Amino acid sequence: DTGVSQDPRHKITKRGQNVTFRCDPISEHNRLYWYRQTLGQGPEFLTYFQNEAQLEKSRLLSDRFSAERPKGSFSTLEIQRTEQGDSAMYLCASSLPRTVSGNTIYFGEGSWLTVV
Amino acid sequence: EDKVVQSPLSLVVHEGDTVTLNCSYEVTNFRSLLWYKQEKKAPTFLFMLTSSGIEKKSGRLSSILDKKELFSILNITATQTGDSAIYLCAVESGGRFVTGGGSNYKLTFGKGTLLTVNP
Repeated sequence: DTGVSQDPRHKITKRGQNVTFRCDPISEHNRLYWYRQTLGQGPEFLTYFQNEAQLEKSRLLSDRFSAERPKGSFSTLEIQRTEQGDSAMYLCASSLPRTVSGNTIYFGEGSWLTVV
Repeated sequence: EDKVVQSPLSLVVHEGDTVTLNCSYEVTNFRSLLWYKQEKKAPTFLFMLTSSGIEKKSGRLSSILDKKELFSILNITATQTGDSAIYLCAVESGGRFVTGGGSNYKLTFGKGTLLTVNP
């Protein structure tokens, strides 16, 4: 499979625990995005990498959230001291560099987080 | 702050009906507008629109963009039960930094329209 892959697909954790999600983008895609989606809502932008540089972070990304892309390939999203409000699907997406004709962003299957 | 508003939020129709989904936006440095279909998993890409007035078509689905009035519509004709899904509109905005390299392209999503097609 050469699509965007995310791991784990589902995670149930107790409030206060830390969780980490991993995203492997499509190879040669240098742009990688993290989104969060709750039921009945569209995906909300969290952060965006171009290669290993984190270029933008949403104000939704509190100090409990951190994302890395150390070698410009896979990325991790860590949530520390989870709260029930963190329960959501965390979507990763990747794309090629912006071209004149535009870019298409490809999404992974998402990682469902349930905080109990 | 960039905003994308979709309407209606939900819609129930019968097979064979035609539906029109709406998406309006307010963004800085508009680049393109995209439509996605989301069933139980991640969104799948449908259309990307960059120019006003040019209809994109794929089977029973079509979409058009009006950059003057800042909206787009997605039409589905002869709906089928398999069309039941959430339809997401997203707007790409941003641009290249003048100095230092890099860019700040961002995709902002609307809340989606939940379409239910009953047999």
